[in-house]
Amino acid sequence: NAGVTQTPKFRVLKTGQSMTLLCAQDMNHEYMYWYRQDPGMGLRLIHYSVGEGTTAKGEVPDGYNVSRLKKQNFLLGLESAAPSQTSVYFCASSGGRGNEKLFFGSGTQLSVL
Amino acid sequence: DAKTTQPTSMDCAEGRAANLPCNHSTISGNEYVYWYRQIHSQGPQYIIHGLKNNETNEMASLIITEDRKSSTLILPHATLRDTAVYYCIVRATGNTGKLIFGQGTTLQVKP
Repeated sequence: NAGVTQTPKFRVLKTGQSMTLLCAQDMNHEYMYWYRQDPGMGLRLIHYSVGEGTTAKGEVPDGYNVSRLKKQNFLLGLESAAPSQTSVYFCASSGGRGNEKLFFGSGTQLSVL
Repeated sequence: DAKTTQPTSMDCAEGRAANLPCNHSTISGNEYVYWYRQIHSQGPQYIIHGLKNNETNEMASLIITEDRKSSTLILPHATLRDTAVYYCIVRATGNTGKLIFGQGTTLQVKP
């Protein structure tokens, strides 16, 4: 039981490049979330999903897209990376209504040059 | 969701109790108080949550005032490994489950 797994752990991009971050959970959780954390700051919610095939915007959604084609996976895409997207990205999942404790992955360190 | 206010930083001696306060004066009746912590840039870790009664688990105790406008997280015997940023979050149970994080309290446990 691995919990929440994020890949890759580190990535360096050039401005304008695209990439996809993968989050996978093996707890059969309904809800999944993507957060970003800038140095010395708290976490900010980018997008979230309350079930397979659904997505919704969080606090800071601009410049990101997400997809939840399978219940266990939540993908975060950057179509044209910008230096302002340099951050640590965390994925989380929870069991849903009535079981709302969040489990977090270990993070992806992304640098955009 | 109600906004929370926490001190920016606190120190605690190893082996002593760490008491972390949180103010949430605009909390609504259906909003829970959650505590998470983040150790050295790892993913946040759930600690405890409660609605109005005091709660205790293997990690900590949560004391919520009778008017629910503030709460205190208690780590009964702090160790060096408890050095972390502690986040107090207030949210209603609902169909999104999302948490909005503030700045948190940086707890430094000293030998």
